[in-house]
Amino acid sequence: QVQLQESGPGLVKPSETLSLTCTVSGGSVSSGYFYWTWIRQPPGKGLEWIGYVYYSGSTTYNPSLNSRVIMSIDTSKNQFSLKMTSVTAADTAVYYCARERGRDYGDYFDYWGQGTLVTVSS
Amino acid sequence: DIQMTQSPSSLSASVGDRVTITCRASQNIRRFLNWYQQKPGKAPKVLIYAASSLQSGVPSRFSGSGSGTDFTLTISSLQPEDFATYFCQQSYSHPGTFGQGTRVEIK
Repeated sequence: QVQLQESGPGLVKPSETLSLTCTVSGGSVSSGYFYWTWIRQPPGKGLEWIGYVYYSGSTTYNPSLNSRVIMSIDTSKNQFSLKMTSVTAADTAVYYCARERGRDYGDYFDYWGQGTLVTVSS
Repeated sequence: DIQMTQSPSSLSASVGDRVTITCRASQNIRRFLNWYQQKPGKAPKVLIYAASSLQSGVPSRFSGSGSGTDFTLTISSLQPEDFATYFCQQSYSHPGTFGQGTRVEIK
């Protein structure tokens, strides 16, 4: 059974950098069938796709966040990571990591982490 | 970005009712449409992918239909565990945008 687990600080100061890591177990981030994705959900609101990193290290980001987001992957640790710079209160949200199946395999998010709340506040 | 619009935003229903939720895309997304269920404090869970394919382990009372711009999620006989929020999501192009959600509440 594939499991994903987010980790990182729950409180970040405005203008600083948010850093989260997703550890994958029961499956490999080195598989070419999947895209390793970050999604967020502000409290009481809807879901926003942040972007993904592929096993090769290639990335695609949401254009609305593009200039502030960096994603990376560490195949030796079976982890992938998110960094978001210059955060504001608007970045307060539950952050989920998820596995997206590639287009030939359905193209949907089949496994999700439990989510981690990140609050931006001084 | 492709905009996804769900309706209604909320509904009240009783156990055993047939429930229908609609999702409209701002442009043709063929059949690249997925449905998720989210319960409070939990991550979303996929129910339907590619407009009408039932995810393994999901009860058969859930079904999806549609193509192009108009899609439907149907719960044939609402069960107590189905009270939750439902989201549609397009995977036709990045960013993979979600609908705003439909909250299904107990009547």
